[in-house]
Amino acid sequence: DTAVSQTPKYLVTQMGNDKSIKCEQNLGHDTMYWYKQDSKKFLKIMFSYNNKELIINETVPNRFSPKSPDKAHLNLHINSLELGDSAVYFCASSQVGDSFTDTQYFGPGTRLTVL
Amino acid sequence: GQSLEQPSEVTAVEGAIVQINCTYQTSGFYGLSWYQQHDGGAPTFLSYNALDGLEETGRFSSFLSRSDSYGYLLLQELQMKDSASYFCAVRGGGGKLIFGQGTELSVKP
Repeated sequence: DTAVSQTPKYLVTQMGNDKSIKCEQNLGHDTMYWYKQDSKKFLKIMFSYNNKELIINETVPNRFSPKSPDKAHLNLHINSLELGDSAVYFCASSQVGDSFTDTQYFGPGTRLTVL
Repeated sequence: GQSLEQPSEVTAVEGAIVQINCTYQTSGFYGLSWYQQHDGGAPTFLSYNALDGLEETGRFSSFLSRSDSYGYLLLQELQMKDSASYFCAVRGGGGKLIFGQGTELSVKP
């Protein structure tokens, strides 16, 4: 009964390749996010979708293209991978407007290594 | 812009009490959250303060002073399993979280 799941958990690929990461949440939340965590553990928002609509795009290179087929799924496609894309990518979801806890639920992460 | 400052690392012994501070600068404040992340794991929610004061959840407490733009996470009766990274975060537009750089807590026997 995983709340937020991501696949794959590990991704090793060559520079220049294109890859996708998938995310699904079964919490019934309206909002989903992609975060990138670098080697220094800095967590930074990349994108946010609310009910399949893009609401946040944090100056991410356009090689990164998120897609949300429905509010339970948010995928991330990366074109022409570069060495600097190596990081852990976390999907998360929340119910925006829940002002009491402001909780975000994170997936297990996808460790992307670009060689 | 929005930024958060927290110590990069803290070391303590089992059974002790440790406090991790966080100061923030933000335009529009909705509350301060704390997340825990074990090595190789995902961030998990610990606590949230929207109003001034102390929130207690078991061995963990979190404090907020909005006038000082400051908060802290207090961990009591430290256990080895508390060794992890701890992140403070504020909510930005669209519900996104803006994280501090994280504090790595090492608990020694």
